[in-house]
Amino acid sequence: EVQLVESGGGLVQPGGSLRLSCEVSGLIFSRNWMHWVRQVPGKGLVWVSCISSDGTASHYAESVKGRFTISRDNARNTLYLQMNSLRDEDTALYYCVKETFGFAFPYWGQGAMVSVSS
Amino acid sequence: QSALTQPASVSGSPGQSITISCTGTNSDVGGYNYVSWYQQNPGKAPRLIISEVNNRPSGVSIRFSGSKSDNTASLTISGLQAEDEADYYCSSYTRSGTLVFGGGTRLTVL
Repeated sequence: EVQLVESGGGLVQPGGSLRLSCEVSGLIFSRNWMHWVRQVPGKGLVWVSCISSDGTASHYAESVKGRFTISRDNARNTLYLQMNSLRDEDTALYYCVKETFGFAFPYWGQGAMVSVSS
Repeated sequence: QSALTQPASVSGSPGQSITISCTGTNSDVGGYNYVSWYQQNPGKAPRLIISEVNNRPSGVSIRFSGSKSDNTASLTISGLQAEDEADYYCSSYTRSGTLVFGGGTRLTVL
């Protein structure tokens, strides 16, 4: 059974930092690109970032560029998202997502809630 | 990168067919055959129902189909059923190497 389990969410003040983790099991973690997608409750999906299978390439949405850093540890089957200089508008449920061929996302975690508020 | 444009809501009666559009630009939808569609029920993670414009993953009903013309992709659901009531999102690969989602469409089965 494929499982993606996010952790590390919580409440943080504006300007603060948080690191999300996503542990993957049930498939070969190192084989595909991994992504983070976020969703404000009741609103739409927003793509955040992605990282190549070997961790050497990454891309970011303009709204998080320079503040968020995506990384992965293939030996630990774990994806990370380091979030710095957090803003109110970063409040959302953050999904860890595994890509397959064609830039499609068949595997999703249940999400980690990040709340940025003073 | 602006979100792809989807209608906010569509509705249909059981047994009918509905189509949800997803409009982008030639830098995303029009430039690549990497359009996906997702179904999301309340409180659940999204579920992939169409990949690469018109491929149905294993286990997805044949009532779901996808297509694309120029900068607009479409999802058609035929033989509408009550269980199809959900939010639907399109996504596309972009020229920048990023992904972009549509704003989402709420499907109501009357």
